Amino acid sequence: DVKVTQSSRYLVKRTGEKVFLECVQDMDHENMFWYRQDPGLGLRLIYFSYDVKMKEKGDIPEGYSVSREKKERFSLILESASTNQTSMYLCASSLLRGYAYEQYFGPGTRLTVT
Amino acid sequence: AQSVTQLDSQVPVFEEAPVELRCNYSSSVSVYLFWYVQYPNQGLQLLLKYLSGSTLVKGINGFEAEFNKSQTSFHLRKPSVHISDTAEYFCAVRDSNYQLIWGAGTKLIIKP
Repeated sequence: DVKVTQSSRYLVKRTGEKVFLECVQDMDHENMFWYRQDPGLGLRLIYFSYDVKMKEKGDIPEGYSVSREKKERFSLILESASTNQTSMYLCASSLLRGYAYEQYFGPGTRLTVT
Repeated sequence: AQSVTQLDSQVPVFEEAPVELRCNYSSSVSVYLFWYVQYPNQGLQLLLKYLSGSTLVKGINGFEAEFNKSQTSFHLRKPSVHISDTAEYFCAVRDSNYQLIWGAGTKLIIKP
């Protein structure tokens, strides 16, 4: 079974702090994704990566950056957290670019910025 | 650009009753459609997908969906729901960049 793990289930940070969210997948998938999930808005893509050291902006990249130094790990960074970044963050992976639709998700990190 | 509309934010239904969760998408030449489910406090998992072929697609846990090109719909159905079906259901369509465009989600609420 594909397993996608996220470093924290719940996280509370203060405004202005730098926040790291880590995601690890164990199935040698090429693609990895970071989404933000808010009630009534569905999932919105923040960044994705098709390969190591490669990243592409999604629909809402402002205020976020990412890092992919190893194939299995994809990190989301909030350089200076703000209260409007309070949300559920979901990481996902998929096998190959052409199979981007069959995504496997981690359990999510609920981030609260106070 | 592709878009997906889930017409109901919540659907309450009695246990053992049938349910239909509605999804409409914007028209495109070729369409790949998906339903994902998110159980409480979990990530999403793929429920079923339509890529081509038969318009009636069967998924896990007794769910099925029907692709209707003329109505640009991909509604999800189950003939008899169980309390364990309580979850949020997301419809999605693949765009030309192989990304998924997501609907806003529908919460299925099972009443005992």
